[in-house]
Amino acid sequence: EVQLVESGGGLVQPGGSLRLSCAASGFTFSSYWMHWVRQAPGKGLVWVSRINSDGSSTSYADSVKGRFTISRDNAKNTLYLQMNSLRAEDTAVYYCARVGMGLDYWGQGTLVTVSS
Amino acid sequence: SYELTQPPSVSVSPGQTARITCSGDALPKKYAYWYQQKSGQAPVLVIYEDSKRPSGIPERFSGSSSGTMATLTISGAQVEDEADYYCYSTDSSGNHRGVFGGGTKLTVL
Repeated sequence: EVQLVESGGGLVQPGGSLRLSCAASGFTFSSYWMHWVRQAPGKGLVWVSRINSDGSSTSYADSVKGRFTISRDNAKNTLYLQMNSLRAEDTAVYYCARVGMGLDYWGQGTLVTVSS
Repeated sequence: SYELTQPPSVSVSPGQTARITCSGDALPKKYAYWYQQKSGQAPVLVIYEDSKRPSGIPERFSGSSSGTMATLTISGAQVEDEADYYCYSTDSSGNHRGVFGGGTKLTVL
């Protein structure tokens, strides 16, 4: 059974940093591209970033470019999102998702709250 | 930046057909995907590559795409189909950047 479990969310002050993790199981993690998607409270889904299967290629939404870094450790079956210079508008539930038939499997999300 | 446009809301009675549209300039060249999200839950894929249905998704869900518009159709909508629906695609930049539509709240009552 495919499982994606996010962790690392929490309360952080504006300007602070946080690293999210997404632990994958039930499939060959190293064969799949992965994405991060976020959803602010009461708002819609917003694409954040993606990484290819071996980590050699990444893309970012304009709103996070230069502040967020996506990476992966295929030996640990784990996807990461390093978030720096956090702003109030980064407050959201962050989901990781696998690229199979589109974004076919999603985690349950981890909440990041940026507030003083 | 690239955008996908959806109507904010659609309302139907149980048993009627619900249609949710998604427009985007790159849709003639890029696939559309559709996600259902119920309150407090993670999104669920209901249509991929414009018109294909994942296993486990009821047959009443179908998708189509023509020109710059993709459409999700729910034939004989049920009360349990009430949810937010999002279209998703990628831009044509070659960087595989994703984009979601703003979402459509489907009300079945």
